[in-house]
Amino acid sequence: DGGITQSPKYLFRKEGQNVTLSCEQNLNHDAMYWYRQDPGQGLRLIYYSQIVNDFQKGDIAEGYSVSREKKESFPLTVTSAQKNPTAFYLCASSISLGGEQFFGPGTRLTVL
Amino acid sequence: QQQVKQSPQSLIVQKGGISIINCAYENTAFDYFPWYQQFPGKGPALLIAIRPDVSEKKEGRFTISFNKSAKQFSLHIMDSQPGDSATYFCAAPQTGANNLFFGTGTRLTVIP
Repeated sequence: DGGITQSPKYLFRKEGQNVTLSCEQNLNHDAMYWYRQDPGQGLRLIYYSQIVNDFQKGDIAEGYSVSREKKESFPLTVTSAQKNPTAFYLCASSISLGGEQFFGPGTRLTVL
Repeated sequence: QQQVKQSPQSLIVQKGGISIINCAYENTAFDYFPWYQQFPGKGPALLIAIRPDVSEKKEGRFTISFNKSAKQFSLHIMDSQPGDSATYFCAAPQTGANNLFFGTGTRLTVIP
C-alpha cells in the first residue's frame, strides 16, 4: 500500500527533552511538509522540503528542526526551545511543491 | 501573512439538509483551492479541489463554488448525512510561496 506513515501515534515527553517524530512516504513524492494542529487554529506549517537535502522554514519554525537525507523520510525534532509543544503533528507529501498534499495519520505529542 | 478566513467555526445540520462552509482568501501565487475532510484523531484527506478556470465543481454530493473577483469559495454538501460529521478545512495558495495556507476549520455535525 502506498501512503504516508507517522510514528509513534502518541508520544509523551518531559519538559526540557528533545523528541523526534518520524514521517515516511512511499509515494515517490519530492515535496514533504510538517504541520502543527491546535484546536481552533487549523493547520500551521512548520517546515517543508521541496527535494532531498533542502528544506525551508514555514510559519512557525521556531523550536523545531528537520532533516531530509532521503526522499522517503522527513523527521521532525521538537526541541526544548519550543515553548508550547503539546499538539497534534501532521506530515504531508506532494508530487511537487504546490501539488495536492496527502497527509499521514498524525502524532499526538503531550509534554508532561 | 497570507490568510484564509473560514466560516462558520461550527455547523449543525439535519440529515438531508445542505451544509455550506465559506472561505475568503487574499492574494495567491497560483490557482489551486482544495477542501480537506478530517475525522477525529485522523489526518486530513482531500475531499475536492478546484482550479478557478471554472466557477463550480461538483463531485457527488460535494460542490465547490468559486468567485474569483470576490476572492471567495465555498463548499456545499447536499443531502448531508451523519457520516459527513467531521471537520472541514479550506486552503488557498500562499503569496510568494508554493505552499497552502489552511483555514481554521469548520466542525460539521449532521443530526440524524
